[in-house]
Amino acid sequence: LAKTTQPISMDSYEGQEVNITCSHNNIATNDYITWYQQFPSQGPRFIIQGYKTKVTNEVASLFIPADRKSSTLSLPRVSLSDTAVYYCLVGESGTASKLTFGTGTRLQVTL
Amino acid sequence: KAGVTQTPRYLIKTRGQQVTLSCSPISGHRSVSWYQQTPGQGLQFLFEYFSETQRNKGNFPGRFSGRQFSNSRSEMNVSTLELGDSALYLCASSLAGTGVGWVLSPFFGPGTRLTVL
Repeated sequence: LAKTTQPISMDSYEGQEVNITCSHNNIATNDYITWYQQFPSQGPRFIIQGYKTKVTNEVASLFIPADRKSSTLSLPRVSLSDTAVYYCLVGESGTASKLTFGTGTRLQVTL
Repeated sequence: KAGVTQTPRYLIKTRGQQVTLSCSPISGHRSVSWYQQTPGQGLQFLFEYFSETQRNKGNFPGRFSGRQFSNSRSEMNVSTLELGDSALYLCASSLAGTGVGWVLSPFFGPGTRLTVL
């Protein structure tokens, strides 16, 4: 599985847009990019997944450039409840559930 | 649709004992994976089961074992507990079968917090 690199931590004020970038230089052709959110003492929660270009759902957007060597999770208008650790994962089809989590990005949202 | 459930949520054991954790996947999900999460090592993959067969295994000693039943429910067992086994144990289920893969990302349960004294 391709290795990912994310910032260890980020700070934001409530109401701002937060962009977390993940680097995955060795991404393979069949790899998808998936983001999870985790609160303390809870299991990771699936946020969004994409392969290329842009994906948007009700909670976030995922931007993937043409070379796919990085991706950016965008959280619009964050609130205090978005304070969590965000993980970027990259993996190929056929290896479902064998997820390799990196250190993640600890997002702290304050008033 | 109910999510992934894990029992018990909290467990306290002493060194040398063994423990069994249970996971019920989302209805219809056939793949179940187990992960260990500690502050020092982060989230680490233990093993994956699909249709009662272990499909993938992480780099953990043989004291860690698991199984999956015909109804897709899974259990993991840790024998001869060590202090370092204290962790949050997470179960994840997915629809994934052969060839389906990542497009159907797994959903995690709330975890079992194991404390070894």
